[in-house]
Amino acid sequence: DAEITQSPRHKITETGRQVTLACHQTWNHNNMFWYRQDLGHGLRLIHYSYGVQDTNKGEVSDGYSVSRSNTEDLPLTLESAASSQTSVYFCASSPDVNTEAFFGQGTRLTVV
Amino acid sequence: SQQGEEDPQALSIQEGENATMNCSYKTSINNLQWYRQNSGRGLVHLILIRSNEREKHSGRLRVTLDTSKKSSSLLITASRAADTASYFCATPHHTGRRALTFGSGTRLQVQP
Repeated sequence: DAEITQSPRHKITETGRQVTLACHQTWNHNNMFWYRQDLGHGLRLIHYSYGVQDTNKGEVSDGYSVSRSNTEDLPLTLESAASSQTSVYFCASSPDVNTEAFFGQGTRLTVV
Repeated sequence: SQQGEEDPQALSIQEGENATMNCSYKTSINNLQWYRQNSGRGLVHLILIRSNEREKHSGRLRVTLDTSKKSSSLLITASRAADTASYFCATPHHTGRRALTFGSGTRLQVQP
């Protein structure tokens, strides 16, 4: 069955370190997204991509970057981790505009 | 800023009762979606309703959309303990309409 997987599921890192969270989908969806979920804020959009070599900033993109070298993967990089980036991160994909999104299980990141 | 806001923030009911959650949004939309999130898991799509639809059913779920009031409701009939989860409404994101904007969610607790 097609799926979307995130790794790692849990990570603890130190302030200032570079961290990369992986997202891999096997649906062949063009659209991929990264969100972060914090108490009181729901999910907020970090970056998104509509296809290979396409990346766009969301509403909370500062301190994050993404790259899209193939259809299946959209890794999220924290250039220099900060305590404010402690959160649960969700990757999602969708096949088209105005369609449902499929979410990964999330990565819980703690920056100490 | 968040497009959708759910109400109530938390709801506790007994098994067999109906649960109603409401969502209000700010700008014109062409569709609205509802998602469920079990504790520690990713979001799962429940239903999508388009702006030209007023009501939609899926099993025990009934969703209404009132574009004049910029509001939607999700009704879960004959609730079960397994319905315990957080429920989010989602609308097209202003920065990229294939992305979604989520509210803070309604936490539903169904007591057995």
